[in-house]
Amino acid sequence: DSGVTQTPKHLITATGQRVTLRCSPRSGDLSVYWYQQSLDQGLQFLIQYYNGEERAKGNILERFSAQQFPDLHSELNLSSLELGDSALYFCASSPWGGSNEQYFGPGTRLTVT
Amino acid sequence: DAKTTQPNSMESNEEEPVHLPCNHSTISGTDYIHWYRQLPSQGPEYVIHGLTSNVNNRMASLAIAEDRKSSTLILHRATLRDAAVYYCILLNNNAGNMLTFGGGTRLMVKP
Repeated sequence: DSGVTQTPKHLITATGQRVTLRCSPRSGDLSVYWYQQSLDQGLQFLIQYYNGEERAKGNILERFSAQQFPDLHSELNLSSLELGDSALYFCASSPWGGSNEQYFGPGTRLTVT
Repeated sequence: DAKTTQPNSMESNEEEPVHLPCNHSTISGTDYIHWYRQLPSQGPEYVIHGLTSNVNNRMASLAIAEDRKSSTLILHRATLRDAAVYYCILLNNNAGNMLTFGGGTRLMVKP
């Protein structure tokens, strides 16, 4: 158990819909990362937040957005969903923005039908 | 971005040592070498990291070549639970802390 929690575990929704994925980092960790894992693209970094501020951006679509709240939990919002957005979404946390170790949650499996 | 090259798959027998190689010929002086693994149906898990010297922890050892162009992750006694995809990743904290995952090496452990 990494100490990172993600909800929900599974999500099934239709094309065009909007969903919110939630992540609670390990106690004391200030930095949160979001990654997407799909069969064709592998594991890809989406975005990083550090203490409430966006720190780095990867291959995140404009239809996707994220934020980190004062209590340090983070949410990833996916809108206008397409079939290709079906994937596993992982959240990771680390103590600070430049930490060497990231601790991953169990993931949210999103299925878009 | 400096890239890594790993074999697609490797096989090992249970309770034997496993050496997982990684080539990173374009590594820069400030790149750390990280290893993560992903067990089936789980999120990635940090294994070990190093810069220049060999490193040991409770999970594994990391042997880094003198020229830093290659490294080897060593599992001293493979167990069935070590069956996973192992990722070798170069991380430059000056360029951000995001992990760039390649294809990794799928390790199969035979009983």
